[in-house]
Amino acid sequence: SYELTQPPSMSVSPGQTARVTCSGDALPKQYAYWYQQKPGQAPILVIYQDTERPSGIPERFSGSSSGTTVTLTITGVQAEDEADYYCQSADTSDTYVVFGGGTRLTVL
Amino acid sequence: QVQLQESGPGLVKPSETLSLTCGVSGYSISGGYYWGWIRQPPGKGLEWIGSIFHSGTTYYNPSLKSRVTISVDTSKNQFSLKLSSVTVADTAVYYCARNQGDIGSTIGRVDYWGQGTLVTVSS
Repeated sequence: SYELTQPPSMSVSPGQTARVTCSGDALPKQYAYWYQQKPGQAPILVIYQDTERPSGIPERFSGSSSGTTVTLTITGVQAEDEADYYCQSADTSDTYVVFGGGTRLTVL
Repeated sequence: QVQLQESGPGLVKPSETLSLTCGVSGYSISGGYYWGWIRQPPGKGLEWIGSIFHSGTTYYNPSLKSRVTISVDTSKNQFSLKLSSVTVADTAVYYCARNQGDIGSTIGRVDYWGQGTLVTVSS
């Protein structure tokens, strides 16, 4: 079965830049999406189509893609950005949706 | 504003069938989009269960396909999940969601989520 691989955790200090990666063989052919989830809440979409930011999402959130890896970048991390981040995409047949295992971002 | 609300039993016995319904307001299911279910075991990550189009076309997670049925009732503007032969491993928060597709991505991203409902499998 198809998998997306994310680091389980990372930590940054306020004001620094956080880069969360997601790797998968089908990523060159399928869009990636990123979600932020805080405890007890449903996830919210922060990046779609690899690099696009939905309305209402702060500009410090950005996305990029290179080969089989996509990256969520948070520039100038704030305490409120502490959360779990999940990437999502599909397999090459476009019939199977998959989420990465999630990355817990801790703001020191 | 599109809103989704899950409903159903919060406790299911092992080997029985889990049944949930998602009521949609603010948008007609018949208007398009895929509508899906995603779950999250306590303390763990998100798992896609499956999605359905208003026409009835479905896509399921291969790892759950033998036990899952997703159906849609356009007259009530709702869709449903049935998961059979449940075990304790099926204990999770179950979210219903609207999927917005993209070019080359039939199901695409989740742009609206329900608040989630915890279903516990226990005798």
